[in-house]
Amino acid sequence: QSVLTQPPSASGTPGQRVTISCSGNRFNIGSNTVNWYQQFPGTAPKLLIYTNNERPSGVPDRFSGSKSGTSASLAIGGLQSEDEADYYCATWDDSLHGWVFGGGTTLTVL
Amino acid sequence: EVQVVESGGGLVQPGGSLRLSCATSGFIFSSYWMSWVRQAPGKGLEWVANIKQDGSIKLYVDSVKGRFTISRDNAKNSLDLQMNSLRAEDTAVYYCARDFLERDTPPGYWGQGTLVTVSS
Repeated sequence: QSVLTQPPSASGTPGQRVTISCSGNRFNIGSNTVNWYQQFPGTAPKLLIYTNNERPSGVPDRFSGSKSGTSASLAIGGLQSEDEADYYCATWDDSLHGWVFGGGTTLTVL
Repeated sequence: EVQVVESGGGLVQPGGSLRLSCATSGFIFSSYWMSWVRQAPGKGLEWVANIKQDGSIKLYVDSVKGRFTISRDNAKNSLDLQMNSLRAEDTAVYYCARDFLERDTPPGYWGQGTLVTVSS
């Protein structure tokens, strides 16, 4: 069971806006910034969002992140078929003294 | 270009040992925290361990404490993970990763991973 809670699946149609939630507690999301990864089958995760809402170079601005209290969200606007992937949230946990991840959300573009 | 390449994975019996290595290039290795993150087949990501730039701080997930040891050689730009007393539940793809920036950011550059299978 993962420390951070994500819905196992999400879906949307091309062009739609989709959000993925991530829930934690005061020791992890409540105290630290949140990051998001995108992973395609058989490949390494790719950092998509860091420090709540910053995008690494090359990540389209269709991807955005937000955080409030002990929860965070990843929003994907203008959904495209190539966005079909697994998405993971991650943050530092002050009580566990390590990085913690959500269980992952599989995004399907219908 | 940042490059991270893992090696050393393979099949090992329960109770056995394995040493993973990670070769890096394209950045100043001694300036970054480094991590190992694993992913069991069909499962999510799990952080395993990380190590500070100078090796003075090493942190581990509870399930591997006392069995795994992370180390680095800044002269060789390399990171290792010594895994002892391996269990079936350690079966996973192990990724080596560099923190995205020099401080206060998550693992941001990942290798392709190396598969460790613990089975008799």
